[in-house]
Amino acid sequence: GAGVSQTPSNKVTEKGKYVELRCDPISGHTALYWYRQSLGQGPEFLIYFQGTGAADDSGLPNDRFFAVRPEGSVSTLKIQRTERGDSAVYLCASSEGGSGYEQYFGPGTRLTVT
Amino acid sequence: KQEVTQIPAALSVPEGENLVLNCSFTDSAIYNLQWFRQDPGKGLTSLLLIQSSQREQTSGRLNASLDKSSGRSTLYIAASQPGDSATYLCAVGPLINYGQNFVFGPGTRLSVLP
Repeated sequence: GAGVSQTPSNKVTEKGKYVELRCDPISGHTALYWYRQSLGQGPEFLIYFQGTGAADDSGLPNDRFFAVRPEGSVSTLKIQRTERGDSAVYLCASSEGGSGYEQYFGPGTRLTVT
Repeated sequence: KQEVTQIPAALSVPEGENLVLNCSFTDSAIYNLQWFRQDPGKGLTSLLLIQSSQREQTSGRLNASLDKSSGRSTLYIAASQPGDSATYLCAVGPLINYGQNFVFGPGTRLSVLP
């Protein structure tokens, strides 16, 4: 079946603008994760959904970042008043369950804030 | 707070060599450990998942071991090939009741020379 998909693949926006990044997980996967990866570093955890609810949002850096998963499948990461420091690759992963299950990653969205 | 390190940061070997990549973590209270491969500009591909109760997992030319008490995991690649060139990352999964904050290492960038 299809893997995890993310759109757009690239997004360039001006400082101060609002952006939305979309993740389509593998069908049937209840767990969904968002990560942020800067150049030369490993992914940094942002938020974890189990079904429709955010089970752990401890990685969101500040209140400009917000994510939703209203129907328990597609998720949207929303960033308000973007800053140049938000530039990174945003990765989404899904798994059949929580911590004990293998994570499958999407190709990522490269966000550039100018 | 869990911290994950990977040594070496970069490695270059001639084709055909066997090699070992290292991953260390500071908190042994983990649920599992997962090794990933990342090609430039791409998402992460899962290689092996080791549950905390396991000592090792094998897939083809790859073998991953886990020593939870010492906070170490190794990824062994046999008979390396140029196609193995990529960045290899390990990620530590927390115990379920600690939340879902998976922690990644910074990765080892591997180059296999033909």
